[in-house]
Amino acid sequence: GDSVTQMEGPVTLSEEAFLTINCTYTATGYPSLFWYVQYPGEGLQLLLKATKADDKGSNKGFEATYRKETTSFHLEKGSVQVSDSAVYFCAPQQASGNTPLVFGKGTRLSVIA
Amino acid sequence: KAGVTQTPRYLIKTRGQQVTLSCSPISGHRSVSWYQQTPGQGLQFLFEYFSETQRNKGNFPGRFSGRQFSNSRSEMNVSTLELGDSALYLCASSFGTPSYNEQFFGPGTRLTVL
Repeated sequence: GDSVTQMEGPVTLSEEAFLTINCTYTATGYPSLFWYVQYPGEGLQLLLKATKADDKGSNKGFEATYRKETTSFHLEKGSVQVSDSAVYFCAPQQASGNTPLVFGKGTRLSVIA
Repeated sequence: KAGVTQTPRYLIKTRGQQVTLSCSPISGHRSVSWYQQTPGQGLQFLFEYFSETQRNKGNFPGRFSGRQFSNSRSEMNVSTLELGDSALYLCASSFGTPSYNEQFFGPGTRLTVL
C-alpha cells in the first residue's frame, strides 16, 4: 500500500529562518499530494495540495512541488514565524476508488523569536 | 458555516470499559472518516462512512466500530478498552469521497485509558 516518509522532528528554527520539511512517498499511479498542519490543541487543517506532477501547491507562504521523478513533496517556507509552530503532515491520496489518506508521522516545528 | 464538532473533547476510562465518541460533520457533508493519532504510530485511518454505509476500514481490531446516521452524524465505539487505545481520535468530514474532496477535521476527542 501507499506509504509516506517524513523527516524526523522536532525542528527548531529562529524566526525568519528558511524551512524545509522533507517528504517522500511510495504509491501506485499518480496520487494527489497534501500537506496538513495541526496547531496545538486543534485538528488538522489542509495547508496545500498538488494533484499532478510538477504542480506547485502554495498557501500562507508555504510551497511544495509535486516531483514525480523523485516521489517527493517537500514543504518549504522562506521566512518562518512563531505562529508557524505546529505539526506538519504529508499525505498522498489515490484519486481512484475510496482509498483513505495515508499520513506521515508528522514533523513538529518550533519557531522561536 | 460551523466546523466539524466532536464530543466529548476529553474522556477518561478504565481498562475493559467501552466508549462512544461522537462527530457532527459540516452541514451538507456526507462523508465522515475517523483517525487515531498516537505519538508512536502517528495518524492511522480507522474507517470512513458515506450515506450511512461503511466504505472503507483500516487495520484495527473488531473492538473498534462505527456507524453513521441519516443526518450524517457519526459515532465510533471502542469496546473492552485497552491501555493502548489511549489516543486522540480525529473525525474528518468531506462533501463527497475523500479521494476528490478536501477533508475538514474536528478538534478531536482525547481518550485516556487507565
